[in-house]
Amino acid sequence: GAGVSQTPSNKVTEKGKYVELRCDPISGHTALYWYRQSLGQGPEFLIYFQGTGAADDSGLPNDRFFAVRPEGSVSTLKIQRTERGDSAVYLCASSQLGRHTDTQYFGPGTRLTVL
Amino acid sequence: EDQVTQSPEALRLQEGESSSLNCSYTVSGLRGLFWYRQDPGKGPEFLFTLYSAGEEKEKERLKATLTKKESFLHITAPKPEDSATYLCAVQTGNQFYFGTGTSLTVIP
Repeated sequence: GAGVSQTPSNKVTEKGKYVELRCDPISGHTALYWYRQSLGQGPEFLIYFQGTGAADDSGLPNDRFFAVRPEGSVSTLKIQRTERGDSAVYLCASSQLGRHTDTQYFGPGTRLTVL
Repeated sequence: EDQVTQSPEALRLQEGESSSLNCSYTVSGLRGLFWYRQDPGKGPEFLFTLYSAGEEKEKERLKATLTKKESFLHITAPKPEDSATYLCAVQTGNQFYFGTGTSLTVIP
């Protein structure tokens, strides 16, 4: 079975531009997470979806960041008016929620560079 | 405040030289502790989940243990292909908190 996929793998943009990052979770996984990872750091939680709804968006740094998951599968992370400080690897993970296991499986990430 | 600390930041081992990585945590309501391996330019790869103090899990040369305040990842007779960054994460509610990782280098 296919794992989590993310596109594009790399994105270079200019300061002030709008970007969209896509995540295809493992089929059947109801939970989806977005993280941001800066060099030398662990992943930092951004947002969590249970089905189509954002169950927890407390990690989004500001209102320039928004994410959707309209059909409960693919998710898109949207960043408006990008800033140089947004440069990082954006990771997506999915999990099949169960009574004891919320183990997340990660995609390869999208490396975002804001010039 | 929920916190996860990993040590050491970096570790260099000779091939076959066993050692342990540490993950200490302070969270309220631990639901699970996770170990991941991350290779350069790739997403984290799941290794283990531990749920309660005293639990242990093994996979090949790796063994993870859990106490009420910390977890250890023991590496027995490591090989160069074990070189990677090892990340620890804890779950409380729906939130996952990651440490900054231990960068392991195994020298042939």
